[in-house]
Amino acid sequence: NAGVTQTPKFQVLKTGQSMTLQCAQDMNHEYMSWYRQDPGMGLRLIHYSVGAGITDQGEVPNGYNVSRSTTEDFPLRLLSAAPSQTSVYFCASSWNTEAFFGQGTRLTVV
Amino acid sequence: EDQVTQSPEALRLQEGESSSLNCSYTVSGLRGLFWYRQDPGKGPEFLFTLYSAGEEKEKERLKATLTKKESFLHITAPKPEDSATYLCAVRGGGNTGKLIFGQGTTLQVKP
Repeated sequence: NAGVTQTPKFQVLKTGQSMTLQCAQDMNHEYMSWYRQDPGMGLRLIHYSVGAGITDQGEVPNGYNVSRSTTEDFPLRLLSAAPSQTSVYFCASSWNTEAFFGQGTRLTVV
Repeated sequence: EDQVTQSPEALRLQEGESSSLNCSYTVSGLRGLFWYRQDPGKGPEFLFTLYSAGEEKEKERLKATLTKKESFLHITAPKPEDSATYLCAVRGGGNTGKLIFGQGTTLQVKP
């Protein structure tokens, strides 16, 4: 019973590098989302998807891209990492009620 | 604009000292208010969903209540293992499923 799985757990990037944060869920949920969590800022929505092939921007989308080719997977891409993207990233999935979260990816951009 | 504000930011209690956490919200067409618990280095863990004013939910030492403007998370006779950050979130109108989170309340319970 995996739920929401995020990889990697930790990552250090140099400014300007690109990478993809992976998120997979096995609950057949239509809705998936990415949040970032910074001290004193709570969880802020980056991008979300209401189903395969459908994505939309959240509160803080700049510098991030997403795609949703399958119900199970919702990767988050950083095209050119910046120090301001140092944060903890959480992926979540839900159907019509509460959201289930992954364990997070701690990203440091130096 | 949908907004969630939690207070206090931090709360220190002695074991057994009951208290309440507040979550004030403004949202168009509330489709659920959610409470989560988050331990250091972990993802948020779901606690409760409330849908309408007057609704209450309980789980062990925790009780969540809801009015038209705010929700309270009451902690009765807390234990050190209740120490965590408690997050409140709302889901508004539309079919997007978006959750808007407050900043959280970090609770520390001392033995």
